[in-house]
Amino acid sequence: GALVYQYPRRTICKSGTSMRMECQAVGFQATSVAWYRQSPQKTFELIALSTVNSAIKYEQNFTQEKFPISHPNLSFSSMTVLNAYLEDRGLYLCGARGDNSYEQYFGPGTRLTVL
Amino acid sequence: GDSVTQKQGQVTLSEDDFLFINCTYSTTTYPTLFWYVQYPGQGPQLLLKVTTANNKGISRGFEATYDKGTTSFHLQKASVQESDSAVYFCALDDNNRIFFGDGTQLVVKP
Repeated sequence: GALVYQYPRRTICKSGTSMRMECQAVGFQATSVAWYRQSPQKTFELIALSTVNSAIKYEQNFTQEKFPISHPNLSFSSMTVLNAYLEDRGLYLCGARGDNSYEQYFGPGTRLTVL
Repeated sequence: GDSVTQKQGQVTLSEDDFLFINCTYSTTTYPTLFWYVQYPGQGPQLLLKVTTANNKGISRGFEATYDKGTTSFHLQKASVQESDSAVYFCALDDNNRIFFGDGTQLVVKP
């Protein structure tokens, strides 16, 4: 079956430092990977969508300078939160999808705490 | 832009009660509509999807009809169980970008 793993599951960083998180797709080819942030109140924000062989598209209020994303192959993506501050806290989720599939498979998320 | 609205923040029911969770959407495209369910400590899981207007999606006793006229996609279940307790998200897909509603916490008491 299709699975998505995320590493680490939880992380704590000091204010102003950076944190890299990873997303791995198993059992299918992840031609597109979307990164989301879920707030403590459970609301989702779409950060960016990465499609292999296309430019990464960031949503309003999110930039490559703050959330650089790498999607080097069909099974892996990573995102870094640069200069993390309190407002960056939350659960970061990646959703991966293969070609010709309506379903986006989500990982369990990386929970970021900023001190 | 695209948006999804869920009016109910929390729904509390007893086992075997009827479930209705409200969802309306706004978009200029012809999206695929989804219901996702999220359990504690996990990412959202797809519960059901409907790609075509006026069609119904059914899964695990849950159902939702894509109503283009009222731009709604309400979730229903005839008889809930305690194990259905979770957060339910209505969502739409616009060209691989999924927009979620704010979620509805379902609490089912034994």
